[in-house]
Amino acid sequence: DTAVSQTPKYLVTQMGNDKSIKCEQNLGHDTMYWYKQDSKKFLKIMFSYNNKELIINETVPNRFSPKSPDKAHLNLHINSLELGDSAVYFCASSPSETAGELFFGEGSRLTVL
Amino acid sequence: SQQGEEDPQALSIQEGENATMNCSYKTSINNLQWYRQNSGRGLVHLILIRSNEREKHSGRLRVTLDTSKKSSSLLITASRAADTASYFCATAPSGWGKLQFGAGTQVVVTP
Repeated sequence: DTAVSQTPKYLVTQMGNDKSIKCEQNLGHDTMYWYKQDSKKFLKIMFSYNNKELIINETVPNRFSPKSPDKAHLNLHINSLELGDSAVYFCASSPSETAGELFFGEGSRLTVL
Repeated sequence: SQQGEEDPQALSIQEGENATMNCSYKTSINNLQWYRQNSGRGLVHLILIRSNEREKHSGRLRVTLDTSKKSSSLLITASRAADTASYFCATAPSGWGKLQFGAGTQVVVTP
């Protein structure tokens, strides 16, 4: 009965490959997010969706494409992976788009070789 | 750009001692939140303080907010080894829901 679950937890791949990370929340929240945490633990917001609509799109390379098939799911697809994409990617959700408590998944550690 | 910055970057204390960490931010906020991250895990929400509040308590946690100085502090009293984690402040800018995080304070509590 995990609230925010993301898969896979670990992902090791070669430069140039395409990969996806999936996220699902069973909290009934309207808003979902992708955050990237770098090696210095700095967390940066990438995208946010509210009821399947994109509401935040930070300056992220267009190799990153989020998709929200319904409000309980937010997936992240990354094309042409680069070394600098290595990081931990966190999915999160909140009841609404006005800032309240975020509920985070356990993270997906992506290593690009 | 980074909104919140925590200080110190790292803190090492013994069980039973208090741990204090600070967060400074740059723009007007709607609220400020503190999160904990255990090694290899996701972030867990600890406490939210609104811009019109000055102090808030939750168990062994005490958070203060000084909007005139654009700063907040998190105090963990009577620390335990299980408090070992990274602590992040996050700010919600006025009128916009985007939550921005600092780089965190790494706290180590030794038995």
